[in-house]
Amino acid sequence: NAGVTQTPKFQVLKTGQSMTLQCAQDMNHEYMSWYRQDPGMGLRLIHYSVGAGITDQGEVPNGYNVSRSTTEDFPLRLLSAAPSQTSVYFCASSYTRGIERGYTFGSGTRLTVV
Amino acid sequence: GDSVTQMEGPVTLSEEAFLTINCTYTATGYPSLFWYVQYPGEGLQLLLKATKADDKGSNKGFEATYRKETTSFHLEKGSVQVSDSAVYFCALTDQGGKLIFGQGTELSVKP
Repeated sequence: NAGVTQTPKFQVLKTGQSMTLQCAQDMNHEYMSWYRQDPGMGLRLIHYSVGAGITDQGEVPNGYNVSRSTTEDFPLRLLSAAPSQTSVYFCASSYTRGIERGYTFGSGTRLTVV
Repeated sequence: GDSVTQMEGPVTLSEEAFLTINCTYTATGYPSLFWYVQYPGEGLQLLLKATKADDKGSNKGFEATYRKETTSFHLEKGSVQVSDSAVYFCALTDQGGKLIFGQGTELSVKP
């Protein structure tokens, strides 16, 4: 049971490049979310999904796209990277009916945009 | 919208000192409340949780009580260790199931 798997762990991009951060979970969780972590800001929600085919925006969605074609995968796309997107990105998942059990987090992707 | 406010850090303590990290929340309805911990270079781990008023969550010597009257969920530990050095996040799940975090409190424990 792998839990939540994020790839890559580290990435350097040039301004204007695009890329996809991968997130996969094998726990059959309905809920999946993407967060970014910046110093002094805590974790801010970028996008989330309550099930396959359903996504919605969080607190800081600009510059990011998501899709949820399967229960297992929830990729995050950066369309045109900017230095302001330098951050650590975390994916998380949870059961719907067991939401009070809390979310399971991946180990993160550290992204630097130069 | 719902929100979480934590005491600012960093907090520096000597080993075996008593720890309190304050957390208050604003929410519609009755959220579940959580403390997550992030050790250096790692992801977030669930430390403890409480799902209704007056519930006490506990784990690894840490405790927090869901206080609806004061909208608080303060984290406490009676005797901290160097290995407790980490960033601690208070969080809640809103009515839509989204997990909302406070800004985090960095704890450093010195031997």
